[in-house]
Amino acid sequence: GAVVSQHPSWVICKSGTSVKIECRSLDFQATTMFWYRQFPKQSLMLMATSNEGSKATYEQGVEKDKFLINHASLTLSTLTVTSAHPEDSSFYICSASKSGETQYFGPGTRLLVL
Amino acid sequence: GQQVMQIPQYQHVQEGEDFTTYCNSSTTLSNIQWYKQRPGGHPVFLIQLVKSGEVKKQKRLTFQFGEAKKNSSLHITATQTTDVGTYFCAGPRGAQKLVFGQGTRLTINP
Repeated sequence: GAVVSQHPSWVICKSGTSVKIECRSLDFQATTMFWYRQFPKQSLMLMATSNEGSKATYEQGVEKDKFLINHASLTLSTLTVTSAHPEDSSFYICSASKSGETQYFGPGTRLLVL
Repeated sequence: GQQVMQIPQYQHVQEGEDFTTYCNSSTTLSNIQWYKQRPGGHPVFLIQLVKSGEVKKQKRLTFQFGEAKKNSSLHITATQTTDVGTYFCAGPRGAQKLVFGQGTRLTINP
């Protein structure tokens, strides 16, 4: 149990375009989903926390207008990188938890902005 | 703010040697979690420690939580090539969030 999927697994896009990443909890209802970004050889940095039906809470330094998060249901959260630029290229990982318990991570999405 | 520091940053061992990574928090933790991330993969939950002085084992992996609940360690006995990856500790921040250590990247010479 506790499987989290992400789609797409990788994406290449042109600078200035927007990219949407989906995160789904497949076999449980996730009250909270988290979005992380990981640059090469670095740790995971939390970007935002989202609870179903409410606005996401963004970490300091993360632009909420650039990284749009929608947590439409207990099994789906989306992250949209708007007007992507090369510096946004990274590994984006979501995680999901049930009622504040262990976070289960998705397989991640590698974004390359040309 | 709360910090979780992990050392060493890198460790290279010969297959069969032991490996240990250490995690220290600037604050007392209610629990600590350990994750493994294989090269090119995503973090996979290994274990959570809750009690002061707790020791848990998973086959060749031994996890310890310090008496003061501010430090933790992961020890791998007789490493195998399948142990390659980055090991992260993570402590809770607030009710829901996690703060991750910098990770220890383990490479193994077969």
